[in-house]
Amino acid sequence: QKEVEQNSGPLSVPEGAIASLNCTYSDRGSQSFFWYRQYSGKSPELIMSIYSNGDKEDGRFTAQLNKASQYVSLLIRDSQPSDSATYLCAVLRGGGADGLTFGKGTHLIIQP
Amino acid sequence: GAVVSQHPSWVICKSGTSVKIECRSLDFQATTMFWYRQFPKQSLMLMATSNEGSKATYEQGVEKDKFLINHASLTLSTLTVTSAHPEDSSFYICSANGRPSGSSETQYFGPGTRLLVL
Repeated sequence: QKEVEQNSGPLSVPEGAIASLNCTYSDRGSQSFFWYRQYSGKSPELIMSIYSNGDKEDGRFTAQLNKASQYVSLLIRDSQPSDSATYLCAVLRGGGADGLTFGKGTHLIIQP
Repeated sequence: GAVVSQHPSWVICKSGTSVKIECRSLDFQATTMFWYRQFPKQSLMLMATSNEGSKATYEQGVEKDKFLINHASLTLSTLTVTSAHPEDSSFYICSANGRPSGSSETQYFGPGTRLLVL
């Protein structure tokens, strides 16, 4: 059974600091990895996608992937109060015919 | 980015009635759409994969006769919750695969439909 694990939090980070979110997955055949942000009562919004080992940076966000350790992380630099949300890690095994397997999400709180 | 819409955004119905939810890809064609369900404080759980022109594929534990899926065109998939009961009350979210500007294929989510069955 495919599983994606995340610490549910809440993770509290001071404004301006770096928020670090972690995720592990069980299916070694997983090919694609995503981080979604979900505000309360809203649907998920794609933040980052990563497909190969290493780091991928986009603005204040950096995704890191280590397939050998089955580990994905998201760093948010210069955290802002508007970054407060639940961050969902999602994994895709194959191509476009597969649905995503989500973790339960980490609730991030940025303290002003 | 790619836009996916859902209608209605909110629905309240009586137990035993059927509810239809529409999911549309507005600016791209989607041969595959997905339906997820999210209960309070839980993550999204994939219910079924909707394929244009063929039968949907349901995840284990999801009743195909209760959750009817029709993918009539490359831009529209519908989910009908038949004989809804209070335990079906949830947040239903669809997604569609898109490839904006030639980038890698990504799932884009609709805004969701909140269903409350009384």
